[in-house]
Amino acid sequence: QTVVTQEPSCSVSPGGTVTLTCGLSSGSISTTYSPSWYQQTPGQSPRTLIYNTNIRSSGVPDRFSGSILGIRAALTITGAQADDESDYYCMLFIGGGTWVFGGGTRLTVL
Amino acid sequence: QVQLVESGGGVVQSGRSLRLSCEASGFIFSSYSMHWVRQAPGKGLEWVAAILYDSSGQFYGDTVKGRFTISRDNSKDTLYLHMYSLRAEDTAMYFCAADFGDFKIDYWGQGTLVTVSS
Repeated sequence: QTVVTQEPSCSVSPGGTVTLTCGLSSGSISTTYSPSWYQQTPGQSPRTLIYNTNIRSSGVPDRFSGSILGIRAALTITGAQADDESDYYCMLFIGGGTWVFGGGTRLTVL
Repeated sequence: QVQLVESGGGVVQSGRSLRLSCEASGFIFSSYSMHWVRQAPGKGLEWVAAILYDSSGQFYGDTVKGRFTISRDNSKDTLYLHMYSLRAEDTAMYFCAADFGDFKIDYWGQGTLVTVSS
């Protein structure tokens, strides 16, 4: 069973930069997994931020960027704003038509 | 604009069945893959199932394989999730989601809540 790991929580100061990561319980993440990232605020449906590792979805500010850092996928927020305070989830395509989400990271902006 | 409206949720006893529906509009439903994603109360997102645009392939997460069936009716622009042998751990908000390609989910519905009572 594939387990995708994320930091449970993270914090950033307003205007600061933060990197959230997404890893595999065994092995490394590459672009083959087509990592995507989603933002969710309490009580709302998720919003798509990044797909295919580093492509921003339509309407997503350029302060959000995606990459591969070492063996993990990464979401970087540059110049964090108060309304970036949300839960962030990565999702990987693990083949055979199946997908898996990471456990999510709760980002606090303070 | 793209709209995905889920329905069919409710309270159901453990071991029983339930069918969720998702009515799509604002795009050519028959051209795109669709997903179901769920979220247990206070927990993270869990990918449940996906179906190709023409129903030629259905795919499932390990926790629901053999108990849930995803299907679609392209003539009605509607996606379904048939859930059998429900368990308490299936209690969650179920989101319908549209996949316009490039290995991502593009649009999400508002969700329908399923509560399985023991």
